[in-house]
Amino acid sequence: ETGVTQTPRHLVMGMTNKKSLKCEQHLGHNAMYWYKQSAKKPLELMFVYNFKEQTENNSVPSRFSPECPNSSHLFLHLHTLQPEDSALYLCASSPTDGTSNPQYFGPGTRLTVL
Amino acid sequence: TQLLEQSPQFLSIQEGENLTVYCNSSSVFSSLQWYRQEPGEGPVLLVTVVTGGEVKKLKRLTFQFGDARKDSSLHITAAQPGDTGLYLCAGVSSASKIIFGSGTRLSIRP
Repeated sequence: ETGVTQTPRHLVMGMTNKKSLKCEQHLGHNAMYWYKQSAKKPLELMFVYNFKEQTENNSVPSRFSPECPNSSHLFLHLHTLQPEDSALYLCASSPTDGTSNPQYFGPGTRLTVL
Repeated sequence: TQLLEQSPQFLSIQEGENLTVYCNSSSVFSSLQWYRQEPGEGPVLLVTVVTGGEVKKLKRLTFQFGDARKDSSLHITAAQPGDTGLYLCAGVSSASKIIFGSGTRLSIRP
């Protein structure tokens, strides 16, 4: 398998549920990212990991908790979400962060919070 | 706060027509990337422009970076239905932070 994969592709959850999104990259990259894509809003960068270390948290609410166990895997743990958190969550990777390297995106997880 | 404004937000044209979409900012970027996102997929990089005034061509797509590195344009010649998608520009700041524009949703009618 190549590129960046994300599971699940679709997720519906209640506000009291706990779920996790998974991202895996097979490109040998060292930086991984979580983005939120909502209708009518630009892509919002949420978290950045570079060599497994979190280097950026863009004031994301604590109900979103990232985890990066190694350079190939990235998780986003979700709990007590709100309906306004419904969006497409995109994972991306790049060779390293902090350069003009392009981002390689996964297909996203479409999240609906009821 | 650096912002990237894209225009138009939506564009629907007939197959075979030409079009230009714009990406503008008041800030200077060290480089600028263009992505295309199709339904159900993540954005895919089309091109990176680095030098002010730079022009890059990708088949029927022509990308230009403004002389002052604050703006960019994407021109498509003889649009095809396969060009349909969301076009995103992304500026890389001097601090190496990437900022995405709001996107132009393009629809090409057969």
